[in-house]
Amino acid sequence: ETGVTQTPRHLVMGMTNKKSLKCEQHLGHNAMYWYKQSAKKPLELMFVYSLEERVENNSVPSRFSPECPNSSHLFLHLHTLQPEDSALYLCASSQGLHMGYGYTFGSGTRLTVV
Amino acid sequence: SQQGEEDPQALSIQEGENATMNCSYKTSINNLQWYRQNSGRGLVHLILIRSNEREKHSGRLRVTLDTSKKSSSLLITASRAADTASYFCATDAVRGSNYKLTFGKGTLLTVNP
Repeated sequence: ETGVTQTPRHLVMGMTNKKSLKCEQHLGHNAMYWYKQSAKKPLELMFVYSLEERVENNSVPSRFSPECPNSSHLFLHLHTLQPEDSALYLCASSQGLHMGYGYTFGSGTRLTVV
Repeated sequence: SQQGEEDPQALSIQEGENATMNCSYKTSINNLQWYRQNSGRGLVHLILIRSNEREKHSGRLRVTLDTSKKSSSLLITASRAADTASYFCATDAVRGSNYKLTFGKGTLLTVNP
């Protein structure tokens, strides 16, 4: 365990479903991130939160909706997804936004949209 | 836009050999980081090197940074089968949103026993 826990590990959902991905960290980190990892492509930054405020929304479709109720928890709400949204979704945290810190990643949620 | 780009895309070596992976990037950076990812898992932070550093060591890992060539290398010495993984470099950008960590596509390293 890295200190960043993601649930569920695997998720299969239909295009009309609504589901949520959860990320939790108790490292005392102030920044949290959602990344999407698709085959043969670099990791794509989706959202950045610092002290529960969203500081980056990287042109992500509105069918992905993040929520950060406190500095330890981050959610990604999913609805009416497309098959091309199938990917590994990774959550990460860091001490702060400044780039002197390494990121701690969770193990990811493998999402399959059918 | 993609910042870091690893080379080679795939590398296969025998246990005990050294493995070298390279990373090139386009714009000025504050820091460069290397990560490892085992198949289907999250990324693990290996090492961070700052733009004013030229070389850094951590156990069997050695990272170099050449800001004039905008390149970095990761050397794994005396490789083990457990080192089999994908390795990514990640960079920030001096200008703009310098908290955004941008990853390359990675190098897939296979260490054969």
